[in-house]
Amino acid sequence: EADIYQTPRYLVIGTGKKITLECSQTMGHDKMYWYQQDPGMELHLIHYSYGVNSTEKGDLSSESTVSRIRTEHFPLTLESARPSHTSQYLCASRSDTQYFGPGTRLTVL
Amino acid sequence: QKEVEQDPGPLSVPEGAIVSLNCTYSNSAFQYFMWYRQYSRKGPELLMYTYSSGNKEDGRFTAQVDKSSKYISLFIRDSQPSDSATYLCAMSDFNKFYFGSGTKLNVKP
Repeated sequence: EADIYQTPRYLVIGTGKKITLECSQTMGHDKMYWYQQDPGMELHLIHYSYGVNSTEKGDLSSESTVSRIRTEHFPLTLESARPSHTSQYLCASRSDTQYFGPGTRLTVL
Repeated sequence: QKEVEQDPGPLSVPEGAIVSLNCTYSNSAFQYFMWYRQYSRKGPELLMYTYSSGNKEDGRFTAQVDKSSKYISLFIRDSQPSDSATYLCAMSDFNKFYFGSGTKLNVKP
């Protein structure tokens, strides 16, 4: 079983707020990923990292930013949240295969 | 053309039926093949993982990979209502992961 954690699990905030979604894993994986998924829809890769100080944008354009200062930690930040950011955000890490966290369900009012 | 094609369903079967879920892909560089199960509003959970061609069995689940046809399958025997979920196929060329859009399965009691 994978040990990958996301906090908060649910977040409701107002427009314009700055938020950080936390993701951590205890498996020592170098590669980590952030996906965005609307209910019943496909996963869309928004950011990934191949190791400390490495970050890349994914296939889906996103106004969020990420950082990777420590191997185990890969937070995602929205500087000014908008209603269009309402979605589920899934963090993952990988060795040969990819393990997902439980997700953060974000609602921006 | 998408890298991975998966029939979105929904697929509805009676309890005890054998379920067959399939994906096709276009990139011959894929080496790792995975199936995930995702319950509503949860993160995807890794079900099966295979490397290269062949079959893999785990309890009621069997994964098949046919690289010559670029076709993968997941079979669920003796399906249960608790199997009702969305099933995602995924593939990797070692660097990036590519996901199908998911097949929604409903197993009726």
